[in-house]
Amino acid sequence: DQQVKQNSPSLSVQEGRISILNCDYTNSMFDYFLWYKKYPAEGPTFLISISSIKDKNEDGRFTVFLNKSAKHLSLHIVPSQPGDSAVYFCAASGDTGNQFYFGTGTSLTVIP
Amino acid sequence: DVKVTQSSRYLVKRTGEKVFLECVQDMDHENMFWYRQDPGLGLRLIYFSYDVKMKEKGDIPEGYSVSREKKERFSLILESASTNQTSMYLCASSDTGGPIEQYFGPGTRLTVT
Repeated sequence: DQQVKQNSPSLSVQEGRISILNCDYTNSMFDYFLWYKKYPAEGPTFLISISSIKDKNEDGRFTVFLNKSAKHLSLHIVPSQPGDSAVYFCAASGDTGNQFYFGTGTSLTVIP
Repeated sequence: DVKVTQSSRYLVKRTGEKVFLECVQDMDHENMFWYRQDPGLGLRLIYFSYDVKMKEKGDIPEGYSVSREKKERFSLILESASTNQTSMYLCASSDTGGPIEQYFGPGTRLTVT
């Protein structure tokens, strides 16, 4: 059973606007979350993280929000740029810290 | 910069063949991982290793085995390849000390015919 879900397989956004990618999880023991970005024919690259002691983490144009009660996190990209077009995966980890559970990915297309 | 390399970008094998996928990392990381990525299923963990000669099963270990004889190298073995093992295989490594981001290699696209 998928413990981390990304219910939107794809998203299209105009350049300069905000992109919001969503992720839901079912395991309340998850306490550390990551977002990865993946271009075709490349491995995923780490984008931003958040631990459960925070509800927001910001890095430049990227902000991740965590709502623990709803078991939901989101990634905001603003302003969106064509180079942001990629597949975005969220991932969650629990007590061991070694194993991450990945979502199914959302393909973002930023239209110039 | 962390570098994780995988021995092949593309590989075509026949059903029943034994397949070796090699992964090397250059950052002295303790942990190494093998995932497969399939459309609609995301990344699923096959095996991981937190030390030399140590291994742990992930979510989908059936049909696979692994070997970690040296810290920097982690091999994924398909004992008898089958068509349902056609996939993108991704290797990753991470440092020790709790939840921390993993660094991925470029992936190996394996096709089993």
